[in-house]
Amino acid sequence: DSGVTQTPKHLITATGQRVTLRCSPRSGDLSVYWYQQSLDQGLQFLIQYYNGEERAKGNILERFSAQQFPDLHSELNLSSLELGDSALYFCASSVGRLAGEEDTQYFGPGTRLTVL
Amino acid sequence: EDQVTQSPEALRLQEGESSSLNCSYTVSGLRGLFWYRQDPGKGPEFLFTLYSAGEEKEKERLKATLTKKESFLHITAPKPEDSATYLCAVRPGPDTGRRALTFGSGTRLQVQP
Repeated sequence: DSGVTQTPKHLITATGQRVTLRCSPRSGDLSVYWYQQSLDQGLQFLIQYYNGEERAKGNILERFSAQQFPDLHSELNLSSLELGDSALYFCASSVGRLAGEEDTQYFGPGTRLTVL
Repeated sequence: EDQVTQSPEALRLQEGESSSLNCSYTVSGLRGLFWYRQDPGKGPEFLFTLYSAGEEKEKERLKATLTKKESFLHITAPKPEDSATYLCAVRPGPDTGRRALTFGSGTRLQVQP
């Protein structure tokens, strides 16, 4: 158990809908990262938040957005869903400082999104 | 652009048959190279972080090594429970302003009893 929690575990929805995925980082971690894993693309970085502020953006679609709240949990919002958005979505957390082992990102169990 | 290539894509071993997985990388000023293990439908589980060429780390039957261009994950006398996908990822140096990990596609390891 990495200490990172994600809810829900599974989500089934229809095209055009909007969903929210939730992540709670490990105790003491200030950085949260979101990744998408699909069969044909592997793990792709979406976005990072550090202590409530957006820190880095990857290949995140405009239909997707995220935020990190004062209690450090994070939510990933996916809207106007398409069939191709079906994937595993992972959250990871780290302390957020650059030095040493604190760089390490610890992953949650993921949310499996199925868009029908 | 950072790139990570893992080989082989899949590897089937007999229990006790040692082997190595390869991770070749291109990154601006390597900040860290990470190895993760991922079981089907689960989140990646952290194994090792390597920071500089020549560094080695061990954990049970696994040993990770790092050169300036690649990393190896050596598996000694594997057991069926070592079956998983092993992922390699790199983090670029702080001068790049990039903090995210770039992952390889992974090596699917199957260890047969």
